[in-house]
Amino acid sequence: GENVEQHPSTLSVQEGDSAVIKCTYSDSASNYFPWYKQELGKGPQLIIDIRSNVGEKKDQRIAVTLNKTAKHFSLHITETQPEDSAVYFCAANSGGGADGLTFGKGTHLIIQP
Amino acid sequence: DSGVTQTPKHLITATGQRVTLRCSPRSGDLSVYWYQQSLDQGLQFLIQYYNGEERAKGNILERFSAQQFPDLHSELNLSSLELGDSALYFCASSSLGGGSSYNEQFFGPGTRLTVL
Repeated sequence: GENVEQHPSTLSVQEGDSAVIKCTYSDSASNYFPWYKQELGKGPQLIIDIRSNVGEKKDQRIAVTLNKTAKHFSLHITETQPEDSAVYFCAANSGGGADGLTFGKGTHLIIQP
Repeated sequence: DSGVTQTPKHLITATGQRVTLRCSPRSGDLSVYWYQQSLDQGLQFLIQYYNGEERAKGNILERFSAQQFPDLHSELNLSSLELGDSALYFCASSSLGGGSSYNEQFFGPGTRLTVL
């Protein structure tokens, strides 16, 4: 089955700086890669996703890149703000609409004022 | 607010007992997914239902079962509970699941289960 590795487990950045979280996946059949943000006491919230036929996608301060050859994808957050502090999860599914998501272990992002 | 609702929010029970968790998907969504989140295992996919039929199984124990009803709400049944079953249980829904590859999943707020 699919295996998703996520790094780092904790990331502390100064407010206004950029943050990058990286993930690798094992199943070359995977074709959908979402990112979720989870705040304390809440469920994961979908923030951005990318499909295997696209190399990069941006949404305001958030961007995701995908390298299918290397089987890795990354989340980039620019101009970080205090409200960006949360746990971020990357995930992958193997397509076909029939599989659940395989998640990374999560990155605790801390924005220092 | 994702539009996915889950009840109850918290559940405390004893080992050996059985509990039922309930999920209502977003309006119009046909697929329901159940996930377990624990400190040691992280977020793990348990099972998916699509329009009333079981679609895919993940790391679901034999003591656990689920179903999706005609009104599309779903229930996750956990029996013979053990201390290690203490976790957050999330339900997610998506509009797809009938063969499409890109099914955005929206998560509910979760049910926190504590087994004493």
